[in-house]
Order: sequence, then structure tokens, then C-alpha cells
Amino acid sequence: DADVTQTPRNRITKTGKRIMLECSQTKGHDRMYWYRQDPGLGLRLIYYSFDVKDINKGEISDGYSVSRQAQAKFSLSLESAIPNQTALYFCATSDSGTGAIQQYFGPGTRLTVT
Amino acid sequence: AQSVTQPDIHITVSEGASLELRCNYSYGATPYLFWYVQSPGQGLQLLLKYFSGDTLVQGIKGFEAEFKRSQSSFNLRKPSVHWSDAAEYFCAVAPGGSYIPTFGRGTSLIVHP
Repeated sequence: DADVTQTPRNRITKTGKRIMLECSQTKGHDRMYWYRQDPGLGLRLIYYSFDVKDINKGEISDGYSVSRQAQAKFSLSLESAIPNQTALYFCATSDSGTGAIQQYFGPGTRLTVT
Repeated sequence: AQSVTQPDIHITVSEGASLELRCNYSYGATPYLFWYVQSPGQGLQLLLKYFSGDTLVQGIKGFEAEFKRSQSSFNLRKPSVHWSDAAEYFCAVAPGGSYIPTFGRGTSLIVHP
């Protein structure tokens, strides 16, 4: 199903460019997360938001920023992309009303920085 | 801080064989435990989870996992693997209260016909 959508699905950009990855959800969840996945490293948390006015840094936030435009939308920006930000990026949601523990993931955005 | 170890980067099994994927965690109290599967080109899908109670949990697609407190482990098992099970498997651990899981590095399952 498409409860959590990410756009674009694939993106190639050049070093130094600013880019934005977008995440939308129709699940009505209040919590949203951004992760990056690198081969052999699993998923690492970049930023998370427990509600529209709450933004928190994760394990690897340097070089990234986020915006929670609405409960359903959570965007990740790379202010000045660099090659080591080439990765697969996932958005996820969870619902504090049901314990906030299980996460639901989008399909991912594959980003290549040349 | 909690940590999650999946000691096997790759595992190769024959179709029809049994499977066990290992997961160990480091955390003082009993955390919430998860197994996710990522098929090629897809996002992560929850296979099963453990919060409390019966230490043997059943999940989707015929998978089960057993929580062993004494070993700080949460290993994933399946009695008979199908070719469609070829995927990346992630164990995740979330301390009670934080709800922010830490993921293991993943185990890639290869299934031979």
C-alpha cells in the first residue's frame, strides 16, 4: 500500500547542490523519522519528529536539515550535497496513540551525489 | 547506549532448508525487539515484534523468533525457506520509553534452488 510515500524515488545531483527529499503519509501518525541506509551499516537515524513542533537530531544529522510542514509531511534537505551522502534514504512513521513502537516505512529514495 | 549485533553479513541456504538468523543486543533492561525484511527495491516490512509475554513470537510469512533474556538474543527462524525469502533482514531494538529503535547492520539471505 502507499500509506507512506517518498518523492523522488531516484535522484542524481551534483556536489554542492541543495536538494530536498519529501515524505508524505496518510496513516494519521504523529511521529515521523528519516533514516539513511548504507551497505553494511544498516539504517541510521538522521532526524525524527514527534509532532509538528518537535524536531530532534538523530545519530547522523550533520549536513542535513528537516522541516515538518504538517502532521502528514516531513521533508529532508541536504543544504550542500557531497558524495558521501550517496545512500538510500527512508522515511518512517509511528503512532504514539498505539504505543509508538512499530514503524512503517516508505519505499525509499535512492540519492546519488556526483 | 543500546547496540544491536547481527553477526552474519550473508547467509546462503537451499530452498526448503531451515533458517536461523542471529541477533544479539546490549541493553540493561528488556527492550522492544523487532525483525524487519527488505526485499530488493522495497522499503522495510515488519515481520514480527516482541514487547512482553510469551518469548516465542510468530510473525508473517511463516517466520518466528525467540527472545532469550539470558543470552540477550532474539533469533529469527523459519523451518522451510522459499526462494521468495531472499532479502535483507534487519533486527531492531528499542528501549522502553524512547520508542526510537536502533537497527542492526542487516543479514543478506541468499536462497539457492
